[in-house]
Amino acid sequence: DAMVIQNPRYQVTQFGKPVTLSCSQTLNHNVMYWYQQKSSQAPKLLFHYYDKDFNNEADTPDNFQSRRPNTSFCFLDIRSPGLGDAAMYLCATSRGRAGNPLGNEQFFGPGTRLTVL
Amino acid sequence: GQNIDQPTEMTATEGAIVQINCTYQTSGFNGLFWYQQHAGEAPTFLSYNVLDGLEEKGRFSSFLSRSKGYSYLLLKELQMKDSASYLCAVRGRGEAAVNKLTFGGGTRVLVKP
Repeated sequence: DAMVIQNPRYQVTQFGKPVTLSCSQTLNHNVMYWYQQKSSQAPKLLFHYYDKDFNNEADTPDNFQSRRPNTSFCFLDIRSPGLGDAAMYLCATSRGRAGNPLGNEQFFGPGTRLTVL
Repeated sequence: GQNIDQPTEMTATEGAIVQINCTYQTSGFNGLFWYQQHAGEAPTFLSYNVLDGLEEKGRFSSFLSRSKGYSYLLLKELQMKDSASYLCAVRGRGEAAVNKLTFGGGTRVLVKP
């Protein structure tokens, strides 16, 4: 029944060591999102894909990159993690059909908690 | 830009009612969402309002006034499992296709026996 899957659930990396977080979905949704959520803060959108079109938020650091090789998978690459990048990273999907707002709720994965040592 | 305000924390007693307010100032508006998030878990969808008025779904209701830039989430017959953060999120105009949301900081609700 899992719809949005994130692996791993917990990731530990070293300062400056590249790390990749993965997300997969079984919903066949057009749109996939990556959020960063620090403790007791709101989820902050980093970027999203509408199908293969990549959309970066203006304030997302260059250190964060993303790949979407197919509809089902999306990856978040952190090229050189700093201590400030320790957070929960949430992947979400939505159907992405304009004019059908009731079908446009976002479905979130369980998140990956990243620790940077 | 979007600015969304909600109280940081609220405490209520099991069986009682709690109302969580959310005010927003946005450059455009195309819907407001409420999500529930338990500690260490992903947000889960609770409700969606795009027209003025009250939407009721079981113990949870959500209200919207677009002219006032105001919404509330009403939780009735509180249960211990309702202890969680409640996130208000706004979708801007022109963003329906991608459902791009801006989240408020969340309101942590603590239900006491």
